[in-house]
Amino acid sequence: DMKVTQMPRYLIKRMGENVLLECGQDMSHETMYWYRQDPGLGLQLIYISYDVDSNSEGDIPKGYRVSRKKREHFSLILDSAKTNQTSVYFCASSRDISNERLFFGHGTKLSVL
Amino acid sequence: TQTVSQSDAHVTVFEGDSVELRCNYSYGGSIYLSWYIQHHGRGLQFLLKYYSGNPVVQGVNGFEAEFSKSDSSFHLRKASVHWSDSAVYFCAVMPNYNVLYFGSGTKLTVEP
Repeated sequence: DMKVTQMPRYLIKRMGENVLLECGQDMSHETMYWYRQDPGLGLQLIYISYDVDSNSEGDIPKGYRVSRKKREHFSLILDSAKTNQTSVYFCASSRDISNERLFFGHGTKLSVL
Repeated sequence: TQTVSQSDAHVTVFEGDSVELRCNYSYGGSIYLSWYIQHHGRGLQFLLKYYSGNPVVQGVNGFEAEFSKSDSSFHLRKASVHWSDSAVYFCAVMPNYNVLYFGSGTKLTVEP
């Protein structure tokens, strides 16, 4: 049942708080991604993970870090969240880095007050 | 730097009309091109892709896209839209087995 699951769906945090966004996939995909989506900007790549403990910065990694200790899980961490990190965050996975078909989760809407 | 440009932020058509959503890219090497659809409040879903061969590729739900090397374009088309086609459509480019880069999206509204 090919699925990418994100938790939570909605999150409200205060500026300076830590944020943990979780993502899971049941397809044994090697590659996983975190994107953020803002109006008029489309999707911007934050981090990419090629496999367990093999992560690489995307286009906008500042203020974020990631953790991938198991192939099926990929976490996005915001240490001391900022108001400009208010956004919708999408996790995605693909079979491997050369596979252009991504499977997306439903997204997490994060509001930092 | 490669870019993906979707020139129309919003497109509105009536049910039964045909529609073309435009995508242009700037990259000279080998690339994958694809389209994704995002219904309100949902994640993106894959529609179709092109890498080589027949420049017209078929996707799900009657969508097709045509690659043009001379125009650096990969426009998405549908002959007769349904209200359920209302969504945001994203063009995406993957240069040389690298990362997928998305355009800013086109919001399609299908009116009854």
